[in-house]
Amino acid sequence: DAGVIQSPRHEVTEMGQEVTLRCKPISGHNSLFWYRQTMMRGLELLIYFNNNVPIDDSGMPEDRFSAKMPNASFSTLKIQPSEPRDSAVYFCASTPGGAGELFFGEGSRLTVL
Amino acid sequence: QKEVEQNSGPLSVPEGAIASLNCTYSDRGSQSFFWYRQYSGKSPELIMSIYSNGDKEDGRFTAQLNKASQYVSLLIRDSQPSDSATYLCAAEGRGGSYIPTFGRGTSLIVHP
Repeated sequence: DAGVIQSPRHEVTEMGQEVTLRCKPISGHNSLFWYRQTMMRGLELLIYFNNNVPIDDSGMPEDRFSAKMPNASFSTLKIQPSEPRDSAVYFCASTPGGAGELFFGEGSRLTVL
Repeated sequence: QKEVEQNSGPLSVPEGAIASLNCTYSDRGSQSFFWYRQYSGKSPELIMSIYSNGDKEDGRFTAQLNKASQYVSLLIRDSQPSDSATYLCAAEGRGGSYIPTFGRGTSLIVHP
């Protein structure tokens, strides 16, 4: 079975550009998480969706960040405009729902110059 | 205030020794606890979960939970070089939700 699929795996862009990261959760999983990982701050929750509805977006840094989940099989995280401090690895993870194991995608490594 | 605290390490142990990794959490409402392993450049993968006080063993891994002390630990027996990775502790149940909060991880190095 396919795991969580993220794209792109690597993205290098210049400050001020728009960045869109994509995620396809595991089929049948109804909870989806976006995390950001840096050396300084570790793994931080950005937003959590349940049944395609954003439940907790308190971790979204500011208005430059937005996330959508138009259907059960697709989610996007958009940064506009991007800044160097957004450089990090962005992970998408899904779970069948409720307490339990998170299944992580391979991550999208973003570098903003 | 970080809700889940771990010593960043690195923790260096010889092959065959017991590695002990520790974690504390601040939210007394947390109900579920997890240990994830993350190899360099890879994504986290679950290795242990624990929900009640006491010990839980799975092969070479033992998770320990003490809710009164808000303390979680992971013991790795007969450590192997392939165990070298960063170990992330996660607590779930923040504010009554199913959202896991992660510590920053402890780097473990097992040297031959």
